[in-house]
Amino acid sequence: QKEVEQNSGPLSVPEGAIASLNCTYSDRVSQSFFWYRQYSGKSPELIMSIYSNGDKEDGRFTAQLNKASQYVSLLIRDSQPSDSATYLCAVNRGGYNKLIFGAGTRLAVHP
Amino acid sequence: EAGVAQSPRYKIIEKRQSVAFWCNPISGHATLYWYQQILGQGPKLLIQFQNNGVVDDSQLPKDRFSAERLKGVDSTLKIQPAKLEDSAVYLCASSLQNEQFFGPGTRLTVL
Repeated sequence: QKEVEQNSGPLSVPEGAIASLNCTYSDRVSQSFFWYRQYSGKSPELIMSIYSNGDKEDGRFTAQLNKASQYVSLLIRDSQPSDSATYLCAVNRGGYNKLIFGAGTRLAVHP
Repeated sequence: EAGVAQSPRYKIIEKRQSVAFWCNPISGHATLYWYQQILGQGPKLLIQFQNNGVVDDSQLPKDRFSAERLKGVDSTLKIQPAKLEDSAVYLCASSLQNEQFFGPGTRLTVL
């Protein structure tokens, strides 16, 4: 079992729709969670962090965390073609701030 | 505020040669990370520095990889000798607290 699992996709959504990206993790002691966006040929860019159960909203992005079920999700409202990228879920197990990354979900937003 | 700087951006070498990568973190960030990202995978932590001390190098192939962070600012990562499987993007990141910010990366091709 991988420590952080994501569906590789591609997840294809029409422009203006809600894109829902999911991530599960195996270590219950994980404390903080991050979503990175990575365009092809570029480095990861931090878009959301979440530390406690519930929802956290930032513009068109909402991160959701459920520690009991060990999953974290990212919702992108009003998806745009410019949102087409790979979204990486990362989990911090605490201690020295070591991040474990999933393999990423590729999102394609079509006009 | 300037981001994480890395050089070179691209490097092509033959197997058994050596190569070095350089990273300058965001000013004031005490923690510096080197990651390896193989195509289609998420970044994997190689080594983490807190100031100029190593706090995690559990996944660094120490027979061929080495890294240092003299004076607690810039860092270099070296591979000697390189193998074909070292072809990847090498990402440097830095953090002040929990959130890690990545540089543009160095794409290494080993022939």
